[in-house]
Amino acid sequence: NAGVTQTPKFQVLKTGQSMTLQCAQDMNHEYMSWYRQDPGMGLRLIHYSVGAGITDQGEVPNGYNVSRSTTEDFPLRLLSAAPSQTSVYFCASSYSRGGQGSKTEAFFGQGTRLTVV
Amino acid sequence: SQKIEQNSEALNIQEGKTATLTCNYTNYSPAYLQWYRQDPGRGPVFLLLIRENEKEKRKERLKVTFDTTLKQSLFHITASQPADSATYLCALDATDRDDKIIFGKGTRLHILP
Repeated sequence: NAGVTQTPKFQVLKTGQSMTLQCAQDMNHEYMSWYRQDPGMGLRLIHYSVGAGITDQGEVPNGYNVSRSTTEDFPLRLLSAAPSQTSVYFCASSYSRGGQGSKTEAFFGQGTRLTVV
Repeated sequence: SQKIEQNSEALNIQEGKTATLTCNYTNYSPAYLQWYRQDPGRGPVFLLLIRENEKEKRKERLKVTFDTTLKQSLFHITASQPADSATYLCALDATDRDDKIIFGKGTRLHILP
């Protein structure tokens, strides 16, 4: 049981390049989310999904796209990387019976450390 | 605006004492609140969840309280050990009880031997 797997672990991009951060979970969790973590800022929610085919914006969605074509995968796309997107990115998943505070603990991946130069 | 505040960026506690961390929130009506531990270079790891109708939750040396009137949660580690040194994060669901889970900035706890 791998849990939540993020790839790559490290990445350096040039400004303007695009890339996709991969996230996969094998726990059949409905709820998945992406956070970025910056010094002094804590974890900030980028996008989240309550199930396949459904995504929504979090606190800091600008510059990022997501899709959820399967329950297992939730990739995060940077269309045109900017230095402000230098951060550590975490993907998380949790079981959800649907809305109204019914989620349980979140399982996090190991993170992707992204540097945009 | 909505805010979650963990009122200490860093906290130093002598080994064996009880460490108490605070999470305050404003303009939220969370259905539950969670606490996580994060070690350097790792993702957060879930510790405890407490629901709005629960006053207290315990797990081994950990205890969490949830006061919806004060809009505050306290996280206690009793008989603290150097291995408890880490960053501790609180998280809750957003005001309209949608599916966003929002985190505080965390408190770095140092247990001094």
